[in-house]
Amino acid sequence: AQSVSQHNHHVILSEAASLELGCNYSYGGTVNLFWYVQYPGQHLQLLLKYFSGDPLVKGIKGFEAEFIKSKFSFNLRKPSVQWSDTAEYFCAVIQTGANNLFFGTGTRLTVIP
Amino acid sequence: GAGVSQSPSNKVTEKGKDVELRCDPISGHTALYWYRQSLGQGLEFLIYFQGNSAPDKSGLPSDRFSAERTGGSVSTLTIQRTQQEDSAVYLCASSLESSAKAQYFGPGTRLLVL
Repeated sequence: AQSVSQHNHHVILSEAASLELGCNYSYGGTVNLFWYVQYPGQHLQLLLKYFSGDPLVKGIKGFEAEFIKSKFSFNLRKPSVQWSDTAEYFCAVIQTGANNLFFGTGTRLTVIP
Repeated sequence: GAGVSQSPSNKVTEKGKDVELRCDPISGHTALYWYRQSLGQGLEFLIYFQGNSAPDKSGLPSDRFSAERTGGSVSTLTIQRTQQEDSAVYLCASSLESSAKAQYFGPGTRLLVL
């Protein structure tokens, strides 16, 4: 079955710590990949996306993600988190030609000042 | 420009009643999607509209759920004879052209069925 896995449900970090959130998917073929963020009380916002080309993509607010096709992974990274990064992060995948995004269950990030 | 807007932001209804949820996509976006976010279930795809093509209804959980998109813009999601398990946040998203483009989400409608 097709799925998107985010193994970390809740991550707690101190400010300035480095962040890596895992995302693995189980689809064959060509996919487009996304990370969305949902800040407390706000709606889902696009953080970054990968369609093709350089597998290291940079998004807003200093986030980046690396697509490793051989590992079916698209991990999200940030070298130094801030308190304002406290939010829930969702990985999403869409197969080329398909209509719907498949989302992971989300990772809640809490950054302690 | 303005983002995706949805109304109402919150809706409380009694079991068995019908509800209508509205979505106004980003101007110029031809593709529109409905998703449902349930506690502990994550986000589930419901339905997809692209221009004048027949919608992809493969994610609708039952025949109590239906959606329309009039004039290629505003969409309404209707849930008939609501059940308590329909309680969730219903999210609308839109994108340029095809489904391969990045989807931009609205704030959602929080539905509570008593």
